[in-house]
Amino acid sequence: SQQGEEDPQALSIQEGENATMNCSYKTSINNLQWYRQNSGRGLVHLILIRSNEREKHSGRLRVTLDTSKKSSSLLITASRAADTASYFCATLQGAQKLVFGQGTRLTINP
Amino acid sequence: SAVISQKPSRDICQRGTSLTIQCQVDSQVTMMFWYRQQPGQSLTLIATANQGSEATYESGFVIDKFPISRPNLTFSTLTVSNMSPEDSSIYLCSVRSGGHEQYFGPGTRLTVT
Repeated sequence: SQQGEEDPQALSIQEGENATMNCSYKTSINNLQWYRQNSGRGLVHLILIRSNEREKHSGRLRVTLDTSKKSSSLLITASRAADTASYFCATLQGAQKLVFGQGTRLTINP
Repeated sequence: SAVISQKPSRDICQRGTSLTIQCQVDSQVTMMFWYRQQPGQSLTLIATANQGSEATYESGFVIDKFPISRPNLTFSTLTVSNMSPEDSSIYLCSVRSGGHEQYFGPGTRLTVT
């Protein structure tokens, strides 16, 4: 079953602005991963944050994790048109199962 | 990261027929996963396929409908049997690295008419 809830479902911003997407989950997790999907293609792995980490950076991406609130955020700074995609969070439940949120559709307007 | 390929990339099939999707990984992996993404939706896990054992199916998915093979540590197949239009989806193969990152293939876009 899908347990992640992402907020907002859709986000439209101007190129150069920052985009923030949020993800909430319900059960305890080992890690949380963020993915990008362009136009129904395969998923690109962006970043993994472990349950004992609070913040992680990768290039223009910044991910935070608050296990007390069971939430995570993905910040994309200085957005570009190529960032237009759907973004999904996924939580690793137990040892095996990666469960996905519903995703945020991000549109970057030139 | 693992490099994953899938065949076919897309197909259009008649209802009642079956399609087998192949997944090839460039390195040996213990666990392989098959996901379904229905139009406009998120990903749902179909089953976990470990080499040398039967696949483990998630609630709502059964072996008769989605038989899986895992003959070795780099290859797996998923068959979508007796297809109906409701099976129209993207099917994605996935593997997990030792560091717990999970990587996905490019997907197979299936349309059932």
